[in-house]
Amino acid sequence: RKEVEQDPGPFNVPEGATVAFNCTYSNSASQSFFWYRQDCRKEPKLLMSVYSSGNEDGRFTAQLNRASQYISLLIRDSKLSDSATYLCAALYSSASKIIFGSGTRLSIRP
Amino acid sequence: ETGVTQSPTHLIKTRGQQVTLRCSSQSGHNTVSWYQQALGQGPQFIFQYYREEENGRGNFPPRFSGLQFPNYSSELNVNALELDDSALYLCASSLGTGQETQYFGPGTRLLVL
Repeated sequence: RKEVEQDPGPFNVPEGATVAFNCTYSNSASQSFFWYRQDCRKEPKLLMSVYSSGNEDGRFTAQLNRASQYISLLIRDSKLSDSATYLCAALYSSASKIIFGSGTRLSIRP
Repeated sequence: ETGVTQSPTHLIKTRGQQVTLRCSSQSGHNTVSWYQQALGQGPQFIFQYYREEENGRGNFPPRFSGLQFPNYSSELNVNALELDDSALYLCASSLGTGQETQYFGPGTRLLVL
């Protein structure tokens, strides 16, 4: 079992829709979590950090459920420019490493 | 932009050769982490350098080695290249090794023939 797992998608949704991604992690020692956005042939860019139960930034909401060991990302009122791959990551500070999921592809159609 | 730079942007090597990739961290950041990202996969942690010392390592063989300099820039060296080493190599800098956010450079795309 991978340490961080994501649904690979692709998710294909119409503009304006709400879309949610889930990410599960296996190591309960994980302390911090991140959502990154990666455009094709580009580097990952930080979208949101999640340290406690959740975080909200405009149309984006991230939630953390430590009991069930999952993190979610909700995108409301999706825009064409939201089309990208979304990477979930868990930080294991004791080992000084970040483990990434394989990413979820999102495509927003007009 | 994150202020993290990497060179070269692209590289083509043949099996058995050696390669050195370079990374300059964001100003003020003392920690550099290196990742390998194969096509269709998430980045895989190779190792991290903090104040010129290796501070954590992923599941990569010893032919992957690194270095961090006093100005906190870093190198990734790969010896005896294999075809499966073809990937995007990303470095990320952060201030410290705890919960601090890592900021990625644009990556070096390596093709091994």
